[in-house]
Amino acid sequence: DTGVSQNPRHKITKRGQNVTFRCDPISEHNRLYWYRQTLGQGPEFLTYFQNEAQLEKSRLLSDRFSAERPKGSFSTLEIQRTEQGDSAMYLCASSPGRDSGSSDTQYFGPGTRLTVL
Amino acid sequence: QQQVKQSPQSLIVQKGGISIINCAYENTAFDYFPWYQQFPGKGPALLIAIRPDVSEKKEGRFTISFNKSAKQFSLHIMDSQPGDSATYFCAANWGGAGSYQLTFGKGTKLSVIP
Repeated sequence: DTGVSQNPRHKITKRGQNVTFRCDPISEHNRLYWYRQTLGQGPEFLTYFQNEAQLEKSRLLSDRFSAERPKGSFSTLEIQRTEQGDSAMYLCASSPGRDSGSSDTQYFGPGTRLTVL
Repeated sequence: QQQVKQSPQSLIVQKGGISIINCAYENTAFDYFPWYQQFPGKGPALLIAIRPDVSEKKEGRFTISFNKSAKQFSLHIMDSQPGDSATYFCAANWGGAGSYQLTFGKGTKLSVIP
């Protein structure tokens, strides 16, 4: 399967713990996005990378959230000091991103379901 | 806050019928309008997408109608099947700001009954 992959698929943690999620984009996709989806809502944009550069992070929900994409390949999303309100599905997407200034198709992974007890 | 408003929230259609979901947007700079299909516990999957230079796009049983002046677009599913039962999201994107973030509607839960 050459789609976007995410690990783990499910994560249960206690309030106050740190969690890290991994996303592997489609090969040779330059853009990588993170979204959060809560029950009954559409995905909400969090942050975006063009290759290894994080070009948009103002939508990260708080300073407890951080993301990296070392070497422009896989990406990680970390949540520090988790709160019950962080419980949600965290989705990763990637797109080719070859034309500057042009929107292109984003392909989503299966998501990581986070439950904070 | 840029918004995409989607309706209805839920929809029940008989097998073989036409499902219609509507979306309206505010930002005239949006230049890409995809529809995603999502099954429970899965990530959204791209169904069909349109750019504002065309008024209609058809792929199999799925058609997007786009009305630029009204800032509205809709998804039509012809010959709806029980396997189409899922949540559908419209979205909009603007690459001009260099952000490329998708703004999603709140979703429509479609149930196709035999």
